[in-house]
Amino acid sequence: GENVEQHPSTLSVQEGDSAVIKCTYSDSASNYFPWYKQELGKRPQLIIDIRSNVGEKKDQRIAVTLNKTAKHFSLHITETQPEDSAVYFCAASIGEYGNKLVFGAGTILRVKS
Amino acid sequence: GAVVSQHPSWVICKSGTSVKIECRSLDFQATTMFWYRQFPKQSLMLMATSNEGSKATYEQGVEKDKFLINHASLTLSTLTVTSAHPEDSSFYICSAIRAGDVAGELFFGEGSRLTVL
Repeated sequence: GENVEQHPSTLSVQEGDSAVIKCTYSDSASNYFPWYKQELGKRPQLIIDIRSNVGEKKDQRIAVTLNKTAKHFSLHITETQPEDSAVYFCAASIGEYGNKLVFGAGTILRVKS
Repeated sequence: GAVVSQHPSWVICKSGTSVKIECRSLDFQATTMFWYRQFPKQSLMLMATSNEGSKATYEQGVEKDKFLINHASLTLSTLTVTSAHPEDSSFYICSAIRAGDVAGELFFGEGSRLTVL
């Protein structure tokens, strides 16, 4: 089955610096790769996603890149702010209809002011 | 749009009792809903896929008699934790796919924190 690995498990950056979180997946049939931000005790919030027909997508300070050949995708946050501190999860789609998600283990991002 | 609501948001129960958690899509129809379980400081683990009008599909290692799922309408799925024990204490989160959407995007409920004493 699909295996999604996420690194690093924790990441501390200074406010204003960039943060990069990387994920790899194993199932070449996966075609949808979302990133979620989860604050303590709350629901995951979709922050950006990318489909397999695109190599990069950007939304203001957040960008995601996808390398299908290498089966890895990354989240880039620029100009980090304290409110970016949270747990971030990557995910990859699986299943007959591609509507199930397998999540990475998560990255705790701390932005120090 | 695309709001998913869970109830209750938290529940404390005695060991051996059953607890029902509801997941509702408030402003859209959801042919498919998913139930996840999340232990403290861990990732979301898919428990089962709930399809309206049919039996749920459970992931490997998830006991279907322990975690009863019913998806009786296009806007409601319920998860019942039967004969709950302390090891069932966890954060349970549902998510839904909006009918007609391209496969992928999920809308999550707020989560339900279950504590079994």
